[in-house]
Amino acid sequence: QQQVKQSPQSLIVQKGGISIINCAYENTAFDYFPWYQQFPGKGPALLIAIRPDVSEKKEGRFTISFNKSAKQFSLHIMDSQPGDSATYFCAASRTQNSGGSNYKLTFGKGTLLTVNP
Amino acid sequence: DTGVSQNPRHKITKRGQNVTFRCDPISEHNRLYWYRQTLGQGPEFLTYFQNEAQLEKSRLLSDRFSAERPKGSFSTLEIQRTEQGDSAMYLCASSHLWVEGYGYTFGSGTRLTVV
Repeated sequence: QQQVKQSPQSLIVQKGGISIINCAYENTAFDYFPWYQQFPGKGPALLIAIRPDVSEKKEGRFTISFNKSAKQFSLHIMDSQPGDSATYFCAASRTQNSGGSNYKLTFGKGTLLTVNP
Repeated sequence: DTGVSQNPRHKITKRGQNVTFRCDPISEHNRLYWYRQTLGQGPEFLTYFQNEAQLEKSRLLSDRFSAERPKGSFSTLEIQRTEQGDSAMYLCASSHLWVEGYGYTFGSGTRLTVV
């Protein structure tokens, strides 16, 4: 059972355009939703994260939108640049210290973003 | 470089051989995680340490897998009697506290190829 579903699998955007990646989760106990960026041959790097008490978080060109009732969240990359070309993963975790939570992350399958110059 | 260090970066082994990977976390981090990532997939949780105690193991971690973190510092992941299905990237991550915006720091991984 896949607990975090991510779409699209791949995305091609022109330089300066907006990249949008969507994720949906099933476990309502999740309370931390990070996005990771991964370049070939590297480990994932934390990009931006959100908790369900806010509906949007912005850091530079990256914005997370969160819809708690729909159990969905998305990453928007404004003014996409060729250097943003990478694989993006959404993830979810339960961080409240109950029931033995250990902050392990459940990842989506990833979106390969290509930004054409 | 004060990031998470993993060695070796690449390992090719014959089916049936044993392999061991090492992870050196960020020094002040007390939590250490192992994940496995196969081609085209997101990382999957394998196991987790808090200091030297291994607190949880995924069902993905069969009896052929063992992980240790002696003295709560570096960690090793051993795979015995490797199978072709073990071919994957093995990622280590560490964290200190679950502080907003802090999250994990992942290493660059060890890519295992079983031939």
